[in-house]
Amino acid sequence: SQQGEEDPQALSIQEGENATMNCSYKTSINNLQWYRQNSGRGLVHLILIRSNEREKHSGRLRVTLDTSKKSSSLLITASRAADTASYFCAILYGQNFVFGPGTRLSVLP
Amino acid sequence: DAGVIQSPRHEVTEMGQEVTLRCKPISGHNSLFWYRQTMMRGLELLIYFNNNVPIDDSGMPEDRFSAKMPNASFSTLKIQPSEPRDSAVYFCASSLMTGELFFGEGSRLTVL
Repeated sequence: SQQGEEDPQALSIQEGENATMNCSYKTSINNLQWYRQNSGRGLVHLILIRSNEREKHSGRLRVTLDTSKKSSSLLITASRAADTASYFCAILYGQNFVFGPGTRLSVLP
Repeated sequence: DAGVIQSPRHEVTEMGQEVTLRCKPISGHNSLFWYRQTMMRGLELLIYFNNNVPIDDSGMPEDRFSAKMPNASFSTLKIQPSEPRDSAVYFCASSLMTGELFFGEGSRLTVL
């Protein structure tokens, strides 16, 4: 399967803590993207990292990519209750985006 | 820009009925994707279009499903006849080339 696999499937943390989610994939990629989905809503793009990049930052988000291990991680620092959502990695294969099953993050106040 | 617009947001229908879901992509985007999301199977790509042309429909479950994009500003996903196992949230997304995807809010379909 070309699908990325996120882990953990679910994560529960206290407000202010950092949250780390991982994504593993199986074949070569062009880029990898992370998305957030709030309950009952559509997915929202968070960050894109290209295959020749190793790390990117956007506000409280930090994404790393290790192409040798075929894995990526998403770090959310100083989490807030509003960060509660499902987070998905998406792999671009050619012109097709393939999503993993997601990580459900709960940030407790 | 209003973003990707999907309609209806909710649809409840009975088995055997025809269902039509609609999508208006973001103006200027040349790629459009239809996804289906369920608890069991997650997000599945059904079909995507480039410049209004279907490129890959291998994710369409069966002949009951069809999708069209008659112009750059409109696409439909049709299910005929519908079955209870088609119950899911159907998302439309658009993008410019292979950049980020912009999703609509989804159409939640319940087939009784």
